[in-house]
Amino acid sequence: KNQVEQSPQSLIILEGKNCTLQCNYTVSPFSNLRWYKQDTGRGPVSLTIMTFSENTKSNGRYTATLDADTKQSSLHITASQLSDSASYICVVSRDVRKAGNNRKLIWGLGTSLAVNP
Amino acid sequence: GAGVSQSPSNKVTEKGKDVELRCDPISGHTALYWYRQSLGQGLEFLIYFQGNSAPDKSGLPSDRFSAERTGGSVSTLTIQRTQQEDSAVYLCASTLGTGVSPLHFGNGTRLTVT
Repeated sequence: KNQVEQSPQSLIILEGKNCTLQCNYTVSPFSNLRWYKQDTGRGPVSLTIMTFSENTKSNGRYTATLDADTKQSSLHITASQLSDSASYICVVSRDVRKAGNNRKLIWGLGTSLAVNP
Repeated sequence: GAGVSQSPSNKVTEKGKDVELRCDPISGHTALYWYRQSLGQGLEFLIYFQGNSAPDKSGLPSDRFSAERTGGSVSTLTIQRTQQEDSAVYLCASTLGTGVSPLHFGNGTRLTVT
């Protein structure tokens, strides 16, 4: 079964600290893996997209890693800020051949991150 | 505007009533998606429009749900005879529709069926 599992379910850290969120998937065939940030009451916002050949990708203080062999990804947040408080969602695409493969996205349930002052 | 716009932001309706949710995608984006997000659940795909092609309706949960996209731009999601289990946030997203491109989401419509 195509699944995306994220851990931890929730996390509380102090402002300025680093943290790492995990994503394990059993999606096949694999096309790409995405991380989205969703603030409360808002739609998700794309952070990174990684294809099979990419091991790491950064977007400011966010760094995503991908190990396609073990089917694991992580999102590392450096020097956290209060505005990082949000849900972080891992998404895996399983449709490798068709353009517009967003239709085959498998969404995780997200990790809820709270950054406290 | 620069982003995806959805209206209304909140909708409270009585069970059995019909509702229409609207989405204005980013100009130039040929692909448009509707998702549903229930509390504690991942995003659930509903329907996909790409240019002039027939829409992919495979995610619609019942025949009470329908959607259209007029002129390749604005889209309306209609739910007939609403039920309490329809209560959720309905999210619209658009994308360029070519290759691996990120989805750009609106802020959703929170639907509450009483």
